[in-house]
Amino acid sequence: GAGVSQSPSNKVTEKGKDVELRCDPISGHTALYWYRQSLGQGLEFLIYFQGNSAPDKSGLPSDRFSAERTGGSVSTLTIQRTQQEDSAVYLCASSTKGQAYEQYFGPGTRLTVT
Amino acid sequence: GDSVTQMEGPVTLSEEAFLTINCTYTATGYPSLFWYVQYPGEGLQLLLKATKADDKGSNKGFEATYRKETTSFHLEKGSVQVSDSAVYFCALNAGGTSYGKLTFGQGTILTVHP
Repeated sequence: GAGVSQSPSNKVTEKGKDVELRCDPISGHTALYWYRQSLGQGLEFLIYFQGNSAPDKSGLPSDRFSAERTGGSVSTLTIQRTQQEDSAVYLCASSTKGQAYEQYFGPGTRLTVT
Repeated sequence: GDSVTQMEGPVTLSEEAFLTINCTYTATGYPSLFWYVQYPGEGLQLLLKATKADDKGSNKGFEATYRKETTSFHLEKGSVQVSDSAVYFCALNAGGTSYGKLTFGQGTILTVHP
């Protein structure tokens, strides 16, 4: 079946602009996760959704970052007033409830802030 | 806080050599432990897992044993192939309030030559 998909695959934006990154989880997966992968910081957890609610937002680096999930499916990660240090690959993952440990990852969105 | 430390890479081996990638962790309680792999041009995928002390996870000829006394989860393979060339990430899930969060090590690049 279809895996986790993310769009766009690549995004180049100017410093100060807002960007939206989209994640489509595997059908039937109720849990969704966002991570960030960068050279300096490795793989960092950002936020976790169970259904449409986010019980753990502890990894969001600043109030410029927000995420929402609607209909228990698609999620959008929004970065406002982008900075160069936001440049990274943003990964989305999903899992079935009760199988939170087996997270299935998407291919990622490579964000470059110029 | 929770953390994972992996051996520094990159690791370069000849085909059929023995592989060990060291991983140690710091966590409160009894975390679950994982190895994820990222093949060139592909997304992260779960390689193996262990959810309690002394469990051995295994997949595709790779093995790792959850050692609580040494807080370790070293990855081993008896005979590597060129197709094993990838980046390997050790990770933990601490459960509790961190139920949805994977904490990753820095990753180890493995290159296998014919």
